[in-house]
Formats: sequence, structure tokens, C-alpha cells
Amino acid sequence: DQQVKQNSPSLSVQEGRISILNCDYTNSMFDYFLWYKKYPAEGPTFLISISSIKDKNEDGRFTVFLNKSAKHLSLHIVPSQPGDSAVYFCAASGLGTSGSRLTFGEGTQLTVNP
Amino acid sequence: DSGVTQTPKHLITATGQRVTLRCSPRSGDLSVYWYQQSLDQGLQFLIQYYNGEERAKGNILERFSAQQFPDLHSELNLSSLELGDSALYFCASSRGGDYGYTFGSGTRLTVV
Repeated sequence: DQQVKQNSPSLSVQEGRISILNCDYTNSMFDYFLWYKKYPAEGPTFLISISSIKDKNEDGRFTVFLNKSAKHLSLHIVPSQPGDSAVYFCAASGLGTSGSRLTFGEGTQLTVNP
Repeated sequence: DSGVTQTPKHLITATGQRVTLRCSPRSGDLSVYWYQQSLDQGLQFLIQYYNGEERAKGNILERFSAQQFPDLHSELNLSSLELGDSALYFCASSRGGDYGYTFGSGTRLTVV
């Protein structure tokens, strides 16, 4: 049962344009969502997060939007840069005690063309 | 350097063998998580330890086991290896009170 799903395995955009990566979840107990970025031969690195009490969180060029009723979140990157080319993982966590586990999506390979 | 150290980086072994993957968490982090990433798949949660105790278990095979030692480093033991166990194995750590993980760079296991 894939509780976090990224339906687009890949996305290609031009440098300077907007990249929009999407993520859907099924578990209504999830209350915290994160995006991780992964370069080849490296571990995933934390990018941005959002709590379920918010519907938007912004950090520089990165903005995450959360639509709880649709159980959908998206990551917007504006403007996109070639260095943003990486695999992006959406992750979610539910109510829990310290050290809550994360459930990850399958990842989306973003390619930003110069 | 993320602060989470995984060794070895690469491992090639034969079917039926047993291997041990090691993880040293970031200084001060009490939780250690193990994830498996097979080809073209996402990160599958295996197991979590918090301050030496098992906290949560995911889709971890019975042939796999893990532990966290008093110095908080963790080991993932994989036995009776099969070709399908070939994957990237990531360790992550967190302070315990937050949701943000710090990942290591992974161990690439190839079973031949």
C-alpha cells in the first residue's frame, strides 16, 4: 500500500522557468510533510517542510503548497536552475512520539535544461 | 559531510552470504532509521531505533536484523542474501523531537 505517491517519475523544464513537483497521500493521519532532494551517489538532503496547520511554506526559490482536502502537496521551484537537477522525494509523517518515521514517495527526477 | 557516516560505501557479495552495514549517527542524534532503495523505487522504511531500543518496524525481512549500541551507532545485518537484496541502504538520524532526518550517503550492496 503506497501511502505517499509521486505519479511523475520525471520532469524536464527550462532554466528560469517554474518547476512543479506533485505528491499525493492517502493516510489522513499524516500531519507533517517534507521534501528531500537527492543527487547521485549522495544521501537525500532535507529541502523544505510544511505542517498540516499551514497551506503554504516558502523558503527562497522553494515553496511547498498543501491541500489537505485533496490530500495533495506540491513543490514549486522558481526560477529553476541547472543545479536543481536531482531526484526529489516527498515524505510524510503522522502523529507520534519523538523520532517519527517518514514515509517516502517514489521520487521524481527533475532535469533543468540550460 | 552530513554528519551521518555509513560504511562501507560499496559491498559486493555472493548469494547466501551475510553482511553487516554500519551507521554512525550525527552527534547528539538519538534516533537511527534504516531505509532500502531498490532500483527505480522509493525509500522503503526498514527499522528505527531510539536510544538503543527498537521503536518502529517497517517492511523488514526476517533475514534482516538491526541493533543500536550504547554509543548510538547502529548496524544492519543482512543474511542469506538473495539477488533481490541488491539495493542502496541508507541510514538516517534525527534528534528525536523533530521530523527532519539527516541521511548518510548510503551503502550500495550488490549480490551476485
